[in-house]
Amino acid sequence: DAGVIQSPRHEVTEMGQEVTLRCKPISGHNSLFWYRQTMMRGLELLIYFNNNVPIDDSGMPEDRFSAKMPNASFSTLKIQPSEPRDSAVYFCASSLGGYGNQPQHFGDGTRLSIL
Amino acid sequence: DAKTTQPNSMESNEEEPVHLPCNHSTISGTDYIHWYRQLPSQGPEYVIHGLTSNVNNRMASLAIAEDRKSSTLILHRATLRDAAVYYCILSSAGNNRKLIWGLGTSLAVNP
Repeated sequence: DAGVIQSPRHEVTEMGQEVTLRCKPISGHNSLFWYRQTMMRGLELLIYFNNNVPIDDSGMPEDRFSAKMPNASFSTLKIQPSEPRDSAVYFCASSLGGYGNQPQHFGDGTRLSIL
Repeated sequence: DAKTTQPNSMESNEEEPVHLPCNHSTISGTDYIHWYRQLPSQGPEYVIHGLTSNVNNRMASLAIAEDRKSSTLILHRATLRDAAVYYCILSSAGNNRKLIWGLGTSLAVNP
């Protein structure tokens, strides 16, 4: 069975450019999570969707970050304009149900470097 | 938000059991205890979870203290592939509370 698929795996771009990260959750899962991981702050939840609706976006750093889930099989995380401090590994995860007692399944991540 | 406390690092020898501790003294009655691990250059991977009773699966066992203020992840026979960062996390069913991921325990396995 296909797991969570993220693209691209690596992205290097210059400050000020728009960055779009993509995620395909596991088929049948109705919850989707975007995380960011850095050495300094560890793993942080950015936003959580349930049934394609954003439920908790309190972790989104600022207005430069936006996330969409137009359908059950696709989500994007966009940064515009990007800054060097956005450099991190971004993970997408999906699960059956919300935070509760359902395991989250993670993709392999997108390693983002902003020069 | 309920938090967990784990040792920064632990070391084990291959084919020996490993007991990874986690303290969660402020756990609430509806909080599940989850364990994930993250191998180098990979996303976190679900290991096991439980509420009150001890749990076993093909990867590990979870021992939960009677007062639920602590738990222990047990790897019965460590292999080199078990070297990873292990995270102990609380989540509450029916409550859209953000999961708090600490820094976890970095497990080294010696051949």
